Amino acid sequence: KNEVEQSPQNLTAQEGEFITINCSYSVGISALHWLQQHPGGGIVSLFMLSSGKKKHGRLIATINIQEKHSSLHITASHPRDSAVYICAVQTGANNLFFGTGTRLTVIP
Amino acid sequence: KAGVTQTPRYLIKTRGQQVTLSCSPISGHRSVSWYQQTPGQGLQFLFEYFSETQRNKGNFPGRFSGRQFSNSRSEMNVSTLELGDSALYLCASSPEGALYGYTFGSGTRLTVV
Repeated sequence: KNEVEQSPQNLTAQEGEFITINCSYSVGISALHWLQQHPGGGIVSLFMLSSGKKKHGRLIATINIQEKHSSLHITASHPRDSAVYICAVQTGANNLFFGTGTRLTVIP
Repeated sequence: KAGVTQTPRYLIKTRGQQVTLSCSPISGHRSVSWYQQTPGQGLQFLFEYFSETQRNKGNFPGRFSGRQFSNSRSEMNVSTLELGDSALYLCASSPEGALYGYTFGSGTRLTVV
């Protein structure tokens, strides 16, 4: 049983499209993180959320604590957005559980 | 400002050997956490060190251990290597711990043959 489920696993979009990646979790959390991993392994922390919504440039992250669900949206997608996006949840005991990631490919 | 530095970048070891990986955090960051990433299991949390003390630990066998020095640099050790230990090992540092955004290193890719 996975504490964190992401969908879709793979996503291909045309440049300019609006993209949504979903994350559902089954444990009580103190925070949820969205991470971006580019080929070669480098990981960047995009957002840390405990409620509501955050926006950074073309990226928007939302979380619904009651429904145990978070979404990552990318507006006006660009080929440089191609990466693996990983959802991670942090429990009150400060343990981290990761989703298996969503591989996004944006085609010019 | 220098990022999180992991050494070595690549490593090949033989089954049964042991290995030590190093992580130098961003200056001023006191928390260092370690993760294992494999194609099958994805990212998994190994442990977190804060001010030289292990604060959290994931669900890995005792062959996986770590430590943190007074300058916040951290090492991870895996003893009696198994083929399944082949993975990308990532460390991340943050000022206070997992409650804050953290910065990842580029990882050490370990291959066990």
